Amino acid sequence: AQSVAQPEDQVNVAEGNPLTVKCTYSVSGNPYPFWYVQYPNRGLQFLLKYITGDNLVKGSYGFEAEFNKSQTSFHLKKPSALVSDSALYFCAVRDPRNFNKFYFGSGTKLNVKP
Amino acid sequence: NAGVTQTPKFRILKIGQSMTLQCAQDMNHNYMYWYRQDPGMGLKLIYYSVGAGITDKGEVPNGYNVSRSTTEDFPLRLELAAPSQTSVYFCASSPGLAGVADTQYFGPGTRLTVL
Repeated sequence: AQSVAQPEDQVNVAEGNPLTVKCTYSVSGNPYPFWYVQYPNRGLQFLLKYITGDNLVKGSYGFEAEFNKSQTSFHLKKPSALVSDSALYFCAVRDPRNFNKFYFGSGTKLNVKP
Repeated sequence: NAGVTQTPKFRILKIGQSMTLQCAQDMNHNYMYWYRQDPGMGLKLIYYSVGAGITDKGEVPNGYNVSRSTTEDFPLRLELAAPSQTSVYFCASSPGLAGVADTQYFGPGTRLTVL
C-alpha cells in the first residue's frame, strides 16, 4: 500500500536554531514529493516540491528540503527557525502513475519558542 | 483573486441528513479536488475533476457525489450523512498544465460534524 510517514507528531525548536521535519514514503515508481504548510483555520499552502535535478530544493520562506531517492525521504529543513514558522507541516507524494493522486502524511506540528 | 473559496465554514448535521459543500475557484484552473482530513491523519482524496463534465473517484469516494458543470465550481454532495463523515473537508484546484510539477491550491476548509 502507498504510504507517507511523518514520524514526529510534534517538533519543538528554539528561535534561531535549525529545524528539520522528517518525511519518508513508500510509493511505487518515481514519486514526486511536496511539502505544504497549514496555519490555524487556513487551507494548506505550497512550500516546495522535488521534480528533478539538484537533490536540495529551495522553497518559500527560507525552507529547503533534501530529496534522497535511496532512502525514499524528503526532509524539510530551515537553517534558522522563526516563531512565525510555527504551524502544521504536511508531506505529500504525487503518484507517478496518476498525477491527480497525492498521498499525504499525518502532519507534524512545529513549535518555535522565542 | 479570491483563490479557492469554500462554504460553509462550519456545519452540524444529523444522521441521515443531506448537504452540499460548495467550492469555487477564480484562477481558471482545470483541475479540482476534494479531500477530507480526519484528526491526526493526512488528507485523503475523495473525488477529483480534470475539467467541466469530467469527474473521477479518489481513495475514499463512498457516501459522496460530485458534479462539475463549470470550470469554477466543484460541489461535494453528502446524501445520507453518517458519523463517519465527521471531518474537515478541503477543496483544492490546480492549473493542470504542468504535469508532475502541477501545484495544488487549497481552500480554507469546511468543518463538518455529524451527530
